[in-house]
Amino acid sequence: ELKVEQNPLFLSMQEGKNYTIYCNYSTTSDRLYWYRQDPGKSLESLFVLLSNGAVKQEGRLMASLDTKARLSTLHITAAVHDLSATYFCAVEAQGGSEKLVFGKGTKLTVNP
Amino acid sequence: EAGVTQFPSHSVIEKGQTVTLRCDPISGHDNLYWYRRVMGKEIKFLLHFVKESKQDESGMPNNRFLAERTGGTYSTLKVQPAELEDSGVYFCASSQDFEIYGYTFGSGTRLTVV
Repeated sequence: ELKVEQNPLFLSMQEGKNYTIYCNYSTTSDRLYWYRQDPGKSLESLFVLLSNGAVKQEGRLMASLDTKARLSTLHITAAVHDLSATYFCAVEAQGGSEKLVFGKGTKLTVNP
Repeated sequence: EAGVTQFPSHSVIEKGQTVTLRCDPISGHDNLYWYRRVMGKEIKFLLHFVKESKQDESGMPNNRFLAERTGGTYSTLKVQPAELEDSGVYFCASSQDFEIYGYTFGSGTRLTVV
């Protein structure tokens, strides 16, 4: 059974600092998704990573995927308060299933 | 384009009562999914519709949960009778091309069973 582990689960950081959120998963998968959720809102798709070595960047966020290590990272550069949210990674349970297995989420708080 | 819409946003019911959650997917999206997050736990898959057919309902916890998608448009998820452990946030998502874009989620229904 596929397990997805995120760490840290809670992250408090100062504006301007850099940090990385890690997402490990237990079985082979080529598709990994990152979502952001603000309190009471929907999960907003941030990145879709579809192959080994994929790297995508949007603003201060950059995500990468290493399928051999079963690891994805979400790197935050020069954090700003607006990035405060909960970030989830999710992995497709098996190829073609369209079923995602989520990590528990990382609650990020960026302090001024 | 309108997003995925869920009703109600919050629901508080007593144990033993019935609750029906509704999800309106993005127009034209054949695929509709239900997930839920119980407090402190991961977001977990419940089921997947392709148009009006249940493609995968392996995540439905028990027979107190009934999902329908008549006509392949909106979907309902009924919990009858509700139990305390059913409390959580129920998310609906839809997609047209999952492999490229993944899902678009709704904002969820927070269900509290007291």
